[in-house]
Order: sequence, then structure tokens, then C-alpha cells
Amino acid sequence: EVMLTQSPDTLSLSPGERGTLSCRASQSVSRYLAWYQQKPGQAPRLLIYDASNRATGVPARFSGSGSGTDFTLTISRLEPEDFAVYYCQQRHISLSFGGGTKVEIK
Amino acid sequence: QVQLVESGGGVVQPGRSLRLSCAASRFTFSDYGLHWVRQAPGQGLEWVAAISYDGREKFYADSVKGRFTISRDNSENTLYLQMNSLRLEDTALYYCAKGHIVGATRAYFESWGHGSLVTVST
Repeated sequence: EVMLTQSPDTLSLSPGERGTLSCRASQSVSRYLAWYQQKPGQAPRLLIYDASNRATGVPARFSGSGSGTDFTLTISRLEPEDFAVYYCQQRHISLSFGGGTKVEIK
Repeated sequence: QVQLVESGGGVVQPGRSLRLSCAASRFTFSDYGLHWVRQAPGQGLEWVAAISYDGREKFYADSVKGRFTISRDNSENTLYLQMNSLRLEDTALYYCAKGHIVGATRAYFESWGHGSLVTVST
């Protein structure tokens, strides 16, 4: 089983700031990694797939990078609607999620 | 726009069974792998089970293997999750999700339902 470890647990930022979220895999998942955004009371939303491809309708301020075991989701300038919980997920070996990073307003 | 509507959740005692359904529409159901993903109250996401587009391949998380069974009816555009021997730790919101590419079972989750709440309690 591939374990995904996300850091930090919570990221406190102000609107307009840059957010950098990390996801580390216990073994290589190549580039088979996605990022999701979840707001309270809503289902998750796919943001990024295959490490760096934005899903349909996702704003350009969201970008993903990485391969192997280390991945990053970057939000270039936080908008008020970006404060949420973010999860990474791999599909290289079975399927698994990371524990999530909460991006909160500072 | 893809529509996934879960049903069948409720309150059940430990050791009992429950079957969830997910009615799908607005996409070619028989082309895509489908999944169940759950989220315990206040917790993160946990992938539970996957089924291939034709129903021939099924995969389960270790936490539910041997107790849960995923199935699908491509003639009715419906996904199911039969949950047996339920435990307290199975309490969660259960989401139905569609894979992101045609034919793949190990996929990302492109579309989600709103979830069906299962509460296992004495």
C-alpha cells in the first residue's frame, strides 16, 4: 500500500498570498498523482491530475509539480474561495489519499 | 453534466448489512470505472472500492475486503455497494465517484455524488 503524507496539516495565509502544499509518497507513484479541493458540506473537486494537468475549469492560479515521491500543489495568489481542504491521491499502486491540508484564512 | 445520486444510507447496528445505490446519468455509464469513497465525520477521504467498466474487475481497500461487495448494472446505469458485517468504524459519508478516463479502473475521481450517510451504532 502506498502511504501519502501531506504537509503541513494546516496552512494559515491571507488572500493574495502564495500557498505551497506538499504530498510525499512512501514509494514512487511516477506522475500518477492528483489533487482535490473540498469545501465544507461539499464533495471533493478534482483540480490537478497526472501531477501537473489542470482539470476542466480549474483556474490557472492552481498548478502542480513533481514526480516519483515528492509533489507540490501551488496556489499562486489565494482567492477567498480557495480556503478549503486539499487532498492528494495516487493511482499508481491501488488507490489511496493523503490525509489533507487545510488552508485557512490568517 | 454528469449526475451521480447515492441512496440507501441510514442507521444500522454493528454486524448488520446495508446496500447503497448510485444512480448515474448524463454520461455513457458502461464506458467508465466507478468507485466508492468514504469520509468519516470530520476526517479525510478513504477510497473503499472500485469496479471496472464491464464489472469484471473489482478492487477493495484492506479495511473492507471480505465484507463489502461492489457491483454494477450497466442496463440500469446503477452502481451498488453491499456492506455486510458493519462495524462502528464504517460510519461515514459514502460517495459514488466516476473515473476520469474511459476504460480505466485505477483512475482519478472526476465526478462525485453528494454522498449517502451510513451510521453504525448500537
